[in-house]
Amino acid sequence: QKEVEQDPGPLSVPEGAIVSLNCTYSNSAFQYFMWYRQYSRKGPELLMYTYSSGNKEDGRFTAQVDKSSKYISLFIRDSQPSDSATYLCAMTGMNTGFQKLVFGTGTRLLVSP
Amino acid sequence: AAGVIQSPRHLIKEKRETATLKCYPIPRHDTVYWYQQGPGQDPQFLISFYEKMQSDKGSIPDRFSAQQFSDYHSELNMSSLELGDSALYFCASSLKGATVYEQYFGPGTRLTVT
Repeated sequence: QKEVEQDPGPLSVPEGAIVSLNCTYSNSAFQYFMWYRQYSRKGPELLMYTYSSGNKEDGRFTAQVDKSSKYISLFIRDSQPSDSATYLCAMTGMNTGFQKLVFGTGTRLLVSP
Repeated sequence: AAGVIQSPRHLIKEKRETATLKCYPIPRHDTVYWYQQGPGQDPQFLISFYEKMQSDKGSIPDRFSAQQFSDYHSELNMSSLELGDSALYFCASSLKGATVYEQYFGPGTRLTVT
């Protein structure tokens, strides 16, 4: 079983929809949680990172972490066609020496005009 | 803003050949990470360096080696290439002591082994 599980999708939504992307993880030692966006044939781009449990908002994006449930989410409001990409959750913590990131498989998001 | 630079962007090699991938981190970043992303897979951590010293090691085959130089750029050397080595190889950099959990990725090197 992978340490980080993420539904690969694809997730198809119309423009303007609210998108919810999620990951679950098994190792309670993870403390930092990141969301990356990856366009086709490009490197992952850091969107947001969150420490421990709680919410963080940045423009149209909101990241939520529920450590008790080992569940993290990324919400995208007013989704745009330019948001179409693969979204990867990643995490790190004392178990990884705060070094390597452990990624989910990524969820492919398609926003149609 | 300057980003992580990787070269070459594309590389085609035959089985049993060697390859060298280069990574130039964001200026002032002192930590470099290498990841391998197979087709439809998530990035897998290979190895990382801080101040020219190996700081962590992941699932890197013995056929691969890497180092970080005094200007902080890093090279990943891959020998006896196998078909399964075909993947996207990403380099990421961060600044230790600052927001160290933010790793910034380069555009990747697409390696195809035939």
